[in-house]
Amino acid sequence: EIVLTQSPGTLSLSPGERATLSCRASQTVSNTYLAWYQQKPGQAPRLLIYSASYRATGIPDRFSGSGSGTDFTLTISRLEPEDFAVYYCQQFGSSPRTFGQGTKVEIK
Amino acid sequence: EVQLVESGGGLVQPGGSLRLSCAVSGFTFSNYAMSWVRQAPGKGLEWVSVISGSGGSTYYADSVKGRFTISRDNSKNTMYLQMNSLRAEDTAVYYCTKGKVPVTTNTAFDIWGQGTMVTVSS
Repeated sequence: EIVLTQSPGTLSLSPGERATLSCRASQTVSNTYLAWYQQKPGQAPRLLIYSASYRATGIPDRFSGSGSGTDFTLTISRLEPEDFAVYYCQQFGSSPRTFGQGTKVEIK
Repeated sequence: EVQLVESGGGLVQPGGSLRLSCAVSGFTFSNYAMSWVRQAPGKGLEWVSVISGSGGSTYYADSVKGRFTISRDNSKNTMYLQMNSLRAEDTAVYYCTKGKVPVTTNTAFDIWGQGTMVTVSS
């Protein structure tokens, strides 16, 4: 099983600042089969990034993903008020598919 | 508009069974893998199972293998999760999700239902 470890657990930032979230895999994620999701309280998750660096439909370009192998990053270039949420990475290249434990981006 | 609507959640005693359904609309159901993801109260996301578009391939998390069965009826545009031998740790919101890329089960999940709550308690 591929274990995904996200860091930091919580990121305290102000609107307009840059957010950098990390997702590290215990083994190589094949074919960059890695996604990022955003979840707000009481809502279902929303797909942001798939295959490590491709933005999903309707996702603003302030969200970007990068990485390969075992190290992946989600960057939010300038935080908007609606971006404060929990973010999860997920690998879908091998079974079982696994999620990271999440990073909470909170208002400082 | 693509829609996924889960149903079938509720309160069940430990050791009991429950069947969840996910009714879909707005896309060609048989072309896409579908998956179940759950979230225990106050916790993170946990992938449960995935099924290919034809239903011929299925995969499970170790935590549910042998107890849960995923299936689909493409003529009814519906996916199911049969849950047996339920435990307290299965208590969670269960989300139905759609694969983004057609055909393959190696895909991110681009559409999520609103979730259905399953509570396992005596």
